[in-house]
Amino acid sequence: QKEVEQDPGPLSVPEGAIVSLNCTYSNSAFQYFMWYRQYSRKGPELLMYTYSSGNKEDGRFTAQVDKSSKYISLFIRDSQPSDSATYLCAMSHYGGSQGNLIFGKGTKLSVKP
Amino acid sequence: EAGVAQSPRYKIIEKRQSVAFWCNPISGHATLYWYQQILGQGPKLLIQFQNNGVVDDSQLPKDRFSAERLKGVDSTLKIQPAKLEDSAVYLCASSLSYTDTQYFGPGTRLTVL
Repeated sequence: QKEVEQDPGPLSVPEGAIVSLNCTYSNSAFQYFMWYRQYSRKGPELLMYTYSSGNKEDGRFTAQVDKSSKYISLFIRDSQPSDSATYLCAMSHYGGSQGNLIFGKGTKLSVKP
Repeated sequence: EAGVAQSPRYKIIEKRQSVAFWCNPISGHATLYWYQQILGQGPKLLIQFQNNGVVDDSQLPKDRFSAERLKGVDSTLKIQPAKLEDSAVYLCASSLSYTDTQYFGPGTRLTVL
Protein backbone atom coordinates (compact mmCIF):
# COMPACT_ATOMS: atom_id res chain seq x y z
CA GLN A 1 0.00 0.00 0.00
CA LYS A 2 1.41 3.37 -1.02
CA GLU A 3 1.74 5.97 1.73
CA VAL A 4 -0.45 8.47 -0.13
CA GLU A 5 -3.23 7.53 -2.56
CA GLN A 6 -4.81 10.03 -4.94
CA ASP A 7 -7.19 9.40 -7.82
CA PRO A 8 -5.38 10.67 -10.93
CA GLY A 9 -8.60 11.51 -12.76
CA PRO A 10 -8.82 13.21 -15.18
CA LEU A 11 -11.71 15.24 -13.80
CA SER A 12 -13.71 17.50 -16.11
CA VAL A 13 -16.31 19.95 -14.77
CA PRO A 14 -18.26 22.92 -16.16
CA GLU A 15 -17.34 26.44 -15.09
CA GLY A 16 -18.97 27.37 -11.79
CA ALA A 17 -19.10 23.81 -10.46
CA ILE A 18 -17.93 22.78 -7.01
CA VAL A 19 -14.89 20.52 -7.26
CA SER A 20 -13.91 17.95 -4.65
CA LEU A 21 -10.41 16.47 -4.66
CA ASN A 22 -9.32 13.81 -2.19
CA CYS A 23 -6.37 11.84 -0.84
CA THR A 24 -6.05 9.00 1.60
CA TYR A 25 -2.92 8.06 3.49
CA SER A 26 -1.66 5.21 5.61
CA ASN A 27 0.98 6.78 7.89
CA SER A 28 -0.59 8.17 11.08
CA ALA A 29 2.63 10.09 11.80
CA PHE A 30 1.86 12.71 9.15
CA GLN A 31 1.31 16.10 10.79
CA TYR A 32 1.28 18.64 7.95
CA PHE A 33 -1.05 18.35 4.96
CA MET A 34 -0.70 20.43 1.84
CA TRP A 35 -2.28 20.96 -1.55
CA TYR A 36 -0.14 22.07 -4.48
CA ARG A 37 -1.32 23.22 -7.90
CA GLN A 38 0.81 22.41 -10.93
CA TYR A 39 0.17 23.96 -14.31
CA SER A 40 1.47 22.20 -17.39
CA ARG A 41 5.27 22.45 -17.71
CA LYS A 42 5.55 24.41 -14.45
CA GLY A 43 6.67 23.55 -10.95
CA PRO A 44 4.13 22.92 -8.17
CA GLU A 45 2.95 25.94 -6.16
CA LEU A 46 1.55 25.75 -2.66
CA LEU A 47 -2.20 26.41 -2.42
CA MET A 48 -3.15 25.42 1.11
CA TYR A 49 -1.56 23.83 4.14
CA THR A 50 -3.16 22.49 7.31
CA TYR A 51 -1.67 21.27 10.54
CA SER A 52 -3.41 18.23 12.06
CA SER A 53 -7.20 17.87 11.71
CA GLY A 54 -9.69 20.57 10.81
CA ASN A 55 -10.77 22.93 8.06
CA LYS A 56 -9.05 25.88 6.47
CA GLU A 57 -10.61 28.31 4.02
CA ASP A 58 -8.92 30.71 1.60
CA GLY A 59 -11.19 32.43 -0.88
CA ARG A 60 -12.76 29.81 -3.13
CA PHE A 61 -10.60 27.02 -1.66
CA THR A 62 -11.31 24.93 1.44
CA ALA A 63 -8.99 22.25 2.78
CA GLN A 64 -10.23 19.58 5.18
CA VAL A 65 -8.23 17.04 7.17
CA ASP A 66 -9.76 14.06 8.98
CA LYS A 67 -6.90 12.30 10.75
CA SER A 68 -9.19 9.67 12.25
CA SER A 69 -10.09 8.51 8.74
CA LYS A 70 -6.68 9.37 7.23
CA TYR A 71 -8.49 11.40 4.59
CA ILE A 72 -7.91 14.90 3.25
CA SER A 73 -9.96 16.97 0.82
CA LEU A 74 -9.71 20.15 -1.21
CA PHE A 75 -12.90 21.88 -2.32
CA ILE A 76 -12.96 24.52 -5.03
CA ARG A 77 -16.10 26.66 -5.21
CA ASP A 78 -17.22 28.51 -8.34
CA SER A 79 -14.53 26.80 -10.40
CA GLN A 80 -12.94 28.80 -13.21
CA PRO A 81 -11.12 27.74 -16.41
CA SER A 82 -7.97 29.15 -14.81
CA ASP A 83 -8.26 26.43 -12.16
CA SER A 84 -7.47 23.83 -14.83
CA ALA A 85 -4.28 22.18 -13.57
CA THR A 86 -3.02 19.11 -11.75
CA TYR A 87 -3.65 19.19 -8.01
CA LEU A 88 -1.18 17.34 -5.80
CA CYS A 89 -1.73 16.50 -2.17
CA ALA A 90 1.40 16.31 -0.02
CA MET A 91 2.16 15.32 3.54
CA SER A 92 5.07 15.61 5.90
CA HIS A 93 6.44 12.94 8.21
CA TYR A 94 8.01 15.33 10.65
CA GLY A 95 6.06 17.29 13.18
CA GLY A 96 6.76 20.97 12.69
CA SER A 97 8.56 20.47 9.40
CA GLN A 98 7.58 20.64 5.78
CA GLY A 99 10.74 18.83 4.76
CA ASN A 100 10.61 15.47 3.03
CA LEU A 101 7.16 15.91 1.51
CA ILE A 102 5.36 12.76 0.36
CA PHE A 103 3.20 13.57 -2.67
CA GLY A 104 0.18 11.89 -4.17
CA LYS A 105 0.10 11.19 -7.91
CA GLY A 106 -1.97 14.30 -8.59
CA THR A 107 -5.47 14.77 -10.02
CA LYS A 108 -5.75 16.48 -13.40
CA LEU A 109 -8.65 18.94 -13.38
CA SER A 110 -10.18 20.57 -16.44
CA VAL A 111 -12.78 23.33 -16.02
CA LYS A 112 -14.75 23.91 -19.22
CA PRO A 113 -16.12 27.39 -20.03
CA GLU B 1 11.48 38.57 -5.76
CA ALA B 2 13.01 36.18 -8.29
CA GLY B 3 11.90 32.58 -8.08
CA VAL B 4 13.90 29.38 -8.22
CA ALA B 5 15.86 29.18 -11.47
CA GLN B 6 16.75 25.93 -13.20
CA SER B 7 18.66 25.10 -16.35
CA PRO B 8 18.51 23.63 -18.83
CA ARG B 9 14.73 23.41 -19.24
CA TYR B 10 14.95 20.41 -21.55
CA LYS B 11 17.60 17.78 -22.17
CA ILE B 12 17.68 14.74 -24.43
CA ILE B 13 20.49 12.22 -24.05
CA GLU B 14 21.17 8.61 -24.88
CA LYS B 15 21.40 5.95 -22.19
CA ARG B 16 24.79 5.61 -20.54
CA GLN B 17 25.56 9.28 -21.17
CA SER B 18 26.05 11.79 -18.37
CA VAL B 19 23.95 14.86 -17.64
CA ALA B 20 23.98 17.69 -15.13
CA PHE B 21 21.25 20.06 -13.95
CA TRP B 22 21.72 23.40 -12.26
CA CYS B 23 19.57 25.17 -9.67
CA ASN B 24 19.72 28.68 -8.26
CA PRO B 25 17.43 28.99 -5.21
CA ILE B 26 15.62 32.06 -3.96
CA SER B 27 18.10 34.44 -2.33
CA GLY B 28 18.50 33.76 1.38
CA HIS B 29 16.90 30.32 1.32
CA ALA B 30 18.97 27.93 3.41
CA THR B 31 17.21 24.72 2.43
CA LEU B 32 17.34 23.25 -1.07
CA TYR B 33 15.61 20.16 -2.40
CA TRP B 34 15.87 18.08 -5.56
CA TYR B 35 12.81 16.07 -6.60
CA GLN B 36 12.22 13.59 -9.43
CA GLN B 37 8.77 13.65 -11.05
CA ILE B 38 8.08 10.77 -13.42
CA LEU B 39 5.19 11.31 -15.84
CA GLY B 40 1.88 10.70 -14.09
CA GLN B 41 3.45 10.63 -10.63
CA GLY B 42 3.93 13.10 -7.83
CA PRO B 43 7.39 14.48 -7.09
CA LYS B 44 9.72 12.23 -5.10
CA LEU B 45 12.42 13.74 -2.91
CA LEU B 46 15.94 12.79 -4.00
CA ILE B 47 18.07 14.96 -1.71
CA GLN B 48 17.70 17.80 0.78
CA PHE B 49 20.46 20.30 1.68
CA GLN B 50 20.59 22.62 4.66
CA ASN B 51 23.08 25.31 3.61
CA ASN B 52 25.83 23.18 2.03
CA GLY B 53 25.27 20.06 4.15
CA VAL B 54 23.15 17.03 3.19
CA VAL B 55 20.15 16.48 5.49
CA ASP B 56 18.46 13.59 3.66
CA ASP B 57 19.65 11.61 0.64
CA SER B 58 17.98 8.33 1.52
CA GLN B 59 16.15 8.09 -1.83
CA LEU B 60 19.07 9.18 -4.02
CA PRO B 61 20.39 6.31 -6.20
CA LYS B 62 23.96 6.94 -5.17
CA ASP B 63 25.48 4.54 -7.69
CA ARG B 64 24.57 6.94 -10.49
CA PHE B 65 23.24 10.17 -8.99
CA SER B 66 25.27 12.81 -7.19
CA ALA B 67 24.50 16.31 -5.98
CA GLU B 68 26.38 19.15 -4.41
CA ARG B 69 25.65 22.60 -3.11
CA LEU B 70 28.78 24.66 -3.09
CA LYS B 71 28.90 27.69 -0.76
CA GLY B 72 25.33 26.97 0.32
CA VAL B 73 23.76 28.65 -2.71
CA ASP B 74 23.61 27.06 -6.18
CA SER B 75 23.31 23.33 -6.58
CA THR B 76 23.99 20.77 -9.30
CA LEU B 77 22.49 17.33 -9.74
CA LYS B 78 24.37 14.85 -11.91
CA ILE B 79 23.41 11.50 -13.41
CA GLN B 80 26.20 9.24 -14.63
CA PRO B 81 25.46 6.99 -16.45
CA ALA B 82 21.81 7.65 -17.32
CA LYS B 83 19.24 4.88 -17.71
CA LEU B 84 15.95 4.87 -19.61
CA GLU B 85 14.02 4.95 -16.32
CA ASP B 86 15.67 8.27 -15.42
CA SER B 87 13.41 10.03 -17.92
CA ALA B 88 11.51 12.50 -15.74
CA VAL B 89 11.21 16.13 -14.72
CA TYR B 90 13.81 17.13 -12.14
CA LEU B 91 12.47 19.81 -9.84
CA CYS B 92 14.48 22.01 -7.56
CA ALA B 93 12.81 23.70 -4.58
CA SER B 94 14.03 25.99 -1.84
CA SER B 95 12.76 27.26 1.48
CA LEU B 96 13.93 29.72 4.13
CA SER B 97 14.47 26.82 6.49
CA TYR B 98 13.33 23.19 6.65
CA THR B 99 10.11 24.22 8.45
CA ASP B 100 9.03 26.73 5.81
CA THR B 101 7.10 26.62 2.56
CA GLN B 102 8.94 25.09 -0.36
CA TYR B 103 9.03 27.07 -3.60
CA PHE B 104 9.56 25.09 -6.76
CA GLY B 105 11.40 25.94 -9.94
CA PRO B 106 10.01 25.12 -13.41
CA GLY B 107 11.99 21.88 -13.62
CA THR B 108 14.29 20.26 -16.17
CA ARG B 109 12.61 17.71 -18.43
CA LEU B 110 15.05 14.86 -19.14
CA THR B 111 14.47 12.33 -21.89
CA VAL B 112 16.79 9.33 -22.03
CA LEU B 113 16.72 7.46 -25.36
